[in-house]
Amino acid sequence: ELVLTQSPGTLSLSPGERATLSCRASQTFSSSFLTWYQQKPGQAPRLLIYGTSTRATGIPDRFSGSGSGTDFTLTISRLEPEDFALYFCQHHDMSSWTFGQGTKVEIK
Amino acid sequence: QVTLKESGPVLVKPTETLTLTCTVSGFSLSDDRLSVSWIRQPPGKALEWLAHIFSNDKKYYNTSLNSRLTISKDTSKSQVVLTMTNMDPVDTATYYCARSNVAAAGIYFFDNWGQGTLVTVSS
Repeated sequence: ELVLTQSPGTLSLSPGERATLSCRASQTFSSSFLTWYQQKPGQAPRLLIYGTSTRATGIPDRFSGSGSGTDFTLTISRLEPEDFALYFCQHHDMSSWTFGQGTKVEIK
Repeated sequence: QVTLKESGPVLVKPTETLTLTCTVSGFSLSDDRLSVSWIRQPPGKALEWLAHIFSNDKKYYNTSLNSRLTISKDTSKSQVVLTMTNMDPVDTATYYCARSNVAAAGIYFFDNWGQGTLVTVSS
């Protein structure tokens, strides 16, 4: 069973800074199957990036995704106040879907 | 406009069966590019995928909960139903339904989510 481990658990940064979030898989898989979501308190998750690097409709270009094999990264180039939230990576293989435990990006 | 809305009990007792309904609008459950999952999130914890149903009625379940879950759909009513048997306090969570879309062969993602419904398991 595939496990996704996100790090760090919490990232304390200031607006304008760069955020780098990691998602590491217990086994290698195609980059097509890695997705990122953002979740704010009291809200449902929101799709950010799919296929490792394709931004969803309406997602600003300060969000970018990269990676391959077992190591994937979500980068927020310059944090805006609305970007402080919880971020999840997710893998699918058409018969199961797995989420990482999340990285919280908080205001320093 | 695509919407998904979860409905069901807010409180269930241990050992009872939970039945949740996801009513969708703005798309059809018969569209073969689209499918629906149920996902839950215990308070302050991570998301956990539960079950998925495709337009052709193919179903998949989280293997750790497989024996307790049943997912079904009624295309004419635009509803997807999840049942979970033998509820326990550890099943207390917000339960979401989410629409899966496909960008290309094999590239699936949840592009629309319901608001979620908090289910508490307590006697």
